[in-house]
Amino acid sequence: RKEVEQDPGPFNVPEGATVAFNCTYSNSASQSFFWYRQDCRKEPKLLMSVYSSGNEDGRFTAQLNRASQYISLLIRDSKLSDSATYLCVVPTDSWGKLQFGAGTQVVVTP
Amino acid sequence: NAGVTQTPKFQVLKTGQSMTLQCAQDMNHNSMYWYRQDPGMGLRLIYYSASEGTTDKGEVPNGYNVSRLNKREFSLRLESAAPSQTSVYFCASTAGLYTGELFFGEGSRLTVL
Repeated sequence: RKEVEQDPGPFNVPEGATVAFNCTYSNSASQSFFWYRQDCRKEPKLLMSVYSSGNEDGRFTAQLNRASQYISLLIRDSKLSDSATYLCVVPTDSWGKLQFGAGTQVVVTP
Repeated sequence: NAGVTQTPKFQVLKTGQSMTLQCAQDMNHNSMYWYRQDPGMGLRLIYYSASEGTTDKGEVPNGYNVSRLNKREFSLRLESAAPSQTSVYFCASTAGLYTGELFFGEGSRLTVL
């Protein structure tokens, strides 16, 4: 099993709709989690951090389910500009290493 | 407001050639990283440098060497390029992984023929 797994998508979402997708992780000791956003042919950028049960930032909500070892990202009222690949990131046991998922592609359509 | 600067942005090599990817950050970060990104594989850590003067192997170090020249600069060298090293390479830096925030360069697209 990969350390961090994501549904690659694409998730095709009408503008204004809600989309949610999950990320599963294998290291049960992980305490913090992160969502990064990567636009096509650009560098990844931090979107949200998740340290406890969840986090909310405007239209974006991240939730953590420790029992089932997954985190989710929900985007409400989707905008065209939300089209991107969303990377789930989990620290590993080793200092200095963040494990990146392969990403979930979201395509918001007019 | 440069952040993390990588050069070159594009490079085509022939098998067996060598090259160095340069990376510099102006945020006074202690830690720097080199990742490669391949389709469907996500970002994989090649080498990292927790602080000036130290370097450590990541997940996929074979075929690469690094140098932490000073606090600002962290270079990645391919001594004898192979087609399997065709990838997009990202340099990143952070003030501390407890923040989870890595600042990435724009990437270097390398093709090995």
